[in-house]
Amino acid sequence: SQTIHQWPATLVQPVGSPLSLECTVEGTSNPNLYWYRQAAGRGLQLLFYSVGIGQISSEVPQNLSASRPQDRQFILSSKKLLLSDSGFYLCAWITGSGANVLTFGAGSRLTVL
Amino acid sequence: DQQVKQNSPSLSVQEGRISILNCDYTNSMFDYFLWYKKYPAEGPTFLISISSIKDKNEDGRFTVFLNKSAKHLSLHIVPSQPGDSAVYFCAASEFNEKLTFGTGTRLTIIP
Repeated sequence: SQTIHQWPATLVQPVGSPLSLECTVEGTSNPNLYWYRQAAGRGLQLLFYSVGIGQISSEVPQNLSASRPQDRQFILSSKKLLLSDSGFYLCAWITGSGANVLTFGAGSRLTVL
Repeated sequence: DQQVKQNSPSLSVQEGRISILNCDYTNSMFDYFLWYKKYPAEGPTFLISISSIKDKNEDGRFTVFLNKSAKHLSLHIVPSQPGDSAVYFCAASEFNEKLTFGTGTRLTIIP
């Protein structure tokens, strides 16, 4: 079966510290992968998407970066967190079969203090 | 520029009644629309979708209506149940490209 895993589920980090959120998918190959953020009072904002290993597209300029070292692994990073980076980060995947239904992970809650 | 808008941040409906959630969009090239449901501290889950070639799609208690001329879609839930209390996001895409989400509407079902 196809599943998506995100960790850590919850993270509290001080301003200026680094960040690494990991997402892996199982049961599929060559998926399109996405990182979204839900900030307080806002909708789901697309941050990055990837159509293959090493291929990253950034949607908005920001303090974050993404990498895809393996086909089913997608990593969200920051070298120095800002207070505004707090939010709920969601990884999602789509098979690319033509159906635009995203399947989301359980999310990672990041609080920057 | 918010291409997909959900102008009602919250909605309260009596249990058993109909819940109607609305969504407007500005991009006339959108050809596929979806609704997602999200509980706190969880990822959104897909609920129902509709292609631009249709104006209605029904799945059990959930029906999505699309009015292309008005660039408006709505989600009807009937009858509403307490478990329907959640945040609902509408989303749209064009030509199988990435989804654009609205800001969400928090639905509260009152027992």
